[in-house]
Amino acid sequence: KQEVTQIPAALSVPEGENLVLNCSFTDSAIYNLQWFRQDPGKGLTSLLLIQSSQREQTSGRLNASLDKSSGRSTLYIAASQPGDSATYLCAVLDSGTYKYIFGTGTRLKVLA
Amino acid sequence: NAGVTQTPKFQVLKTGQSMTLQCAQDMNHNSMYWYRQDPGMGLRLIYYSASEGTTDKGEVPNGYNVSRLNKREFSLRLESAAPSQTSVYFCASCVFTGELFFGEGSRLTVL
Repeated sequence: KQEVTQIPAALSVPEGENLVLNCSFTDSAIYNLQWFRQDPGKGLTSLLLIQSSQREQTSGRLNASLDKSSGRSTLYIAASQPGDSATYLCAVLDSGTYKYIFGTGTRLKVLA
Repeated sequence: NAGVTQTPKFQVLKTGQSMTLQCAQDMNHNSMYWYRQDPGMGLRLIYYSASEGTTDKGEVPNGYNVSRLNKREFSLRLESAAPSQTSVYFCASCVFTGELFFGEGSRLTVL
């Protein structure tokens, strides 16, 4: 059974720091991995999608990498800003079940 | 484009009442999902539909039923609501192995 874990559960950093959020999954048989952002009381917004054949994707200050063989992905946020404060979730599309399975998220707070 | 639309956005029920959460997408996606989100537990999959006419159970299907009415619509029904079903419910859709798009959520309270 596919399981997705995100560590740490919460993170607080001063503005301007570069930071890394981690996502691990137990079964490497995935179609893709997606990173989302969720603001309090809101829905989920897609940030980056990495197909299983890709190693990384970039969008602005965000870079996501995927190492399928080791079951890991990282989301790198450069020069963090208070507006980056949110919960970040990763999800894998499991190729055995065709279902998206989510981690529990990392709650990020960027201090001004 | 409206994307994924959920109704209602808020609902309060008494224990034992029934209700249906509606979800519609206008992106011609084949796959649709229902998740619930509870504090500290992330998103848990309730039911999934790979295409019109097919549905499959997720991690937490007990107490729920679904209908994939057509390609656009995927509804979630609570036949006899329980306080444990108090949660935020999200509908999502995607093309077969593509990017997942979410609705804004439906906040349900069961008293």
